[in-house]
Amino acid sequence: QKEVEQNSGPLSVPEGAIASLNCTYSDRGSQSFFWYRQYSGKSPELIMSIYSNGDKEDGRFTAQLNKASQYVSLLIRDSQPSDSATYLCAVNIFSGGGADGLTFGKGTHLIIQP
Amino acid sequence: GAVVSQHPSRVICKSGTSVKIECRSLDFQATTMFWYRQFPKQSLMLMATSNEGSKATYEQGVEKDKFLINHASLTLSTLTVTSAHPEDSSFYICSARRQGEFYNSPLHFGNGTRLTVT
Repeated sequence: QKEVEQNSGPLSVPEGAIASLNCTYSDRGSQSFFWYRQYSGKSPELIMSIYSNGDKEDGRFTAQLNKASQYVSLLIRDSQPSDSATYLCAVNIFSGGGADGLTFGKGTHLIIQP
Repeated sequence: GAVVSQHPSRVICKSGTSVKIECRSLDFQATTMFWYRQFPKQSLMLMATSNEGSKATYEQGVEKDKFLINHASLTLSTLTVTSAHPEDSSFYICSARRQGEFYNSPLHFGNGTRLTVT
């Protein structure tokens, strides 16, 4: 059973502060990890992908992966009101039978307070 | 690149009718497309995996006779909700993996279709 867990929030962060979003997953075979942002009524858009342990930075975003702890996080520096959205954690496991879809968490609703 | 177009963006239909949703990869060929469904305040749930030229693989609990998937070409997959009922009202989102991309590459999502069954 593949499970991805996130705190649904809402997580409220002052503008300019660091927003920290967390995600745990149950399947140790998971090999690739993604953070998507979803605005209300819209489809997800990719923010970050991470495949190996450690940190990966892209602009104001940093993804962190710890496979031993089955934990992946997303940090958003200098938070802006436009960052207010639901952030979805997604994992992918290769079953050996071909391409697999992603398993998504329920998402964390982030609110950046001006 | 990697644009996925989904049509229609919004549809309202009466109970008992069928609705077809199209998912097209505009600037790439997609050997695999995925269909997701999202209920309000819930996560995306994978319904089925569609491979070009072969039958779709459905997730447990998804009725293959109710949700008909056709992936006739490398740029088009369709989802038909047959005999729709109010409980089928949801946000349906397709995604695609570019031909040649590795299995762990990110998916490219369409804009979704909001289905309301009255």
